[in-house]
Amino acid sequence: QVQLVQSGAEVKKPGASVKVSCKASGYTFTSYDISWVRQAPGQGLEWMGWISAYNGNTNYAQKLQGRVTMTTNTSTSTAYMELRSLRSDDTAVYYCASGILDYWGQGTLVTVSS
Amino acid sequence: DIVMTQTPLSLSVTPGQPASISCKSSQSLLHSDGKTYFYWYLQKPGQSPQLLIYEVSSRFSGVPDRFSGSGSGTDFTLKISRVEAEDVGVYYCMQGIHLPWTFGQGTKVEIK
Repeated sequence: QVQLVQSGAEVKKPGASVKVSCKASGYTFTSYDISWVRQAPGQGLEWMGWISAYNGNTNYAQKLQGRVTMTTNTSTSTAYMELRSLRSDDTAVYYCASGILDYWGQGTLVTVSS
Repeated sequence: DIVMTQTPLSLSVTPGQPASISCKSSQSLLHSDGKTYFYWYLQKPGQSPQLLIYEVSSRFSGVPDRFSGSGSGTDFTLKISRVEAEDVGVYYCMQGIHLPWTFGQGTKVEIK
């Protein structure tokens, strides 16, 4: 069965960077894009961008351009999302999801606090 | 960016009764390939979102047939024919045709 397993919770200081991983199993990794979606506490869902696991092409939400980088390692079927210059309003649960967001990871809480 | 507007934002339903959620997009979601890239997700309390409906009306694997989606262009509806206790949570619509993909604000469904 398809599974996306994300790395654990992180606490970061403002200005720092965080890198969240998402390990896929149960399907051919390069067959589907991986998207990243975040959810601030008590808020709705925000699409951050996607990466083609096939060729590494990316598309990022404009508001995150310059601060976010999505990558994949096809040898380990793992996707990564790095967010830099963290601010308090980046505090959220970060999800990875495959394809049309048909399968989701369990979420990674990133807390940005001084 | 495409704005997705859901109504109502909250819904309290008696078990066994129907429920309906509307979602309107600020632009047509019909692609030149003939598909409409519109989706419904449910986020149960404390869980990750899960896909219910894709391309307006196709139920995802394992989704009960009490869930149905309809609509076209800019107006879409999710219907639950008979609400069950396990259906509580927040329902989100999403468009996947125009970048950035955008979600509705969410509709919280609770059981009376």
